[in-house]
Amino acid sequence: AQSVTQLDSQVPVFEEAPVELRCNYSSSVSVYLFWYVQYPNQGLQLLLKYLSGSTLVESINGFEAEFNKSQTSFHLRKPSVHISDTAEYFCAVSGYSSASKIIFGSGTRLSIRP
Amino acid sequence: DAGVTQSPTHLIKTRGQHVTLRCSPISGHKSVSWYQQVLGQGPQFIFQYYEKEERGRGNFPDRFSARQFPNYSSELNVNALLLGDSALYLCASSSGLAGHSTDTQYFGPGTRLTVL
Repeated sequence: AQSVTQLDSQVPVFEEAPVELRCNYSSSVSVYLFWYVQYPNQGLQLLLKYLSGSTLVESINGFEAEFNKSQTSFHLRKPSVHISDTAEYFCAVSGYSSASKIIFGSGTRLSIRP
Repeated sequence: DAGVTQSPTHLIKTRGQHVTLRCSPISGHKSVSWYQQVLGQGPQFIFQYYEKEERGRGNFPDRFSARQFPNYSSELNVNALLLGDSALYLCASSSGLAGHSTDTQYFGPGTRLTVL
């Protein structure tokens, strides 16, 4: 079985500041890892995913996440945030052998201050 | 192209009643998954259907059931509603088995169910 822990329920940052949203997972098998974003009053959207290969994955809007197997982490980072990045961010995991079941973390609310 | 659509958008029921939620996947997608998102929590996996067969089930009681139709649309049914069933119910579609390939899950806007 897999589980996901998002250590911060809320992260307030100033506009143009860097941000890191932390995610740790637990699994006895190899995993796929995902970050989803939920903007206010909208559905979930896939931000980026790690399936295999390079441990650093990037999204089209400047976010990146690094898969660290030894620390079982998949932290999300952005060097400079914008007001439009205000949203709830969910880390998620699925196991190779139970790939129909995606386990989500409890979410981190990112609020950007001007 | 239309994304994943869900109906209704909002629903209010009383304890003990049953409810049917509907989902239409993106055209060409054969996989539909259902999630429950309680306020302040992440989505929890309920079911996945692929090619009209159940391919995965989460830790939900038998009051929850679902099916997928020949046109790949899906229904989620919940019987004997409890107050704790109040949540946002999300549907997601993908062209393959969600999370098992490079296919991405696309989520609908959800149905907000309130049980009084």
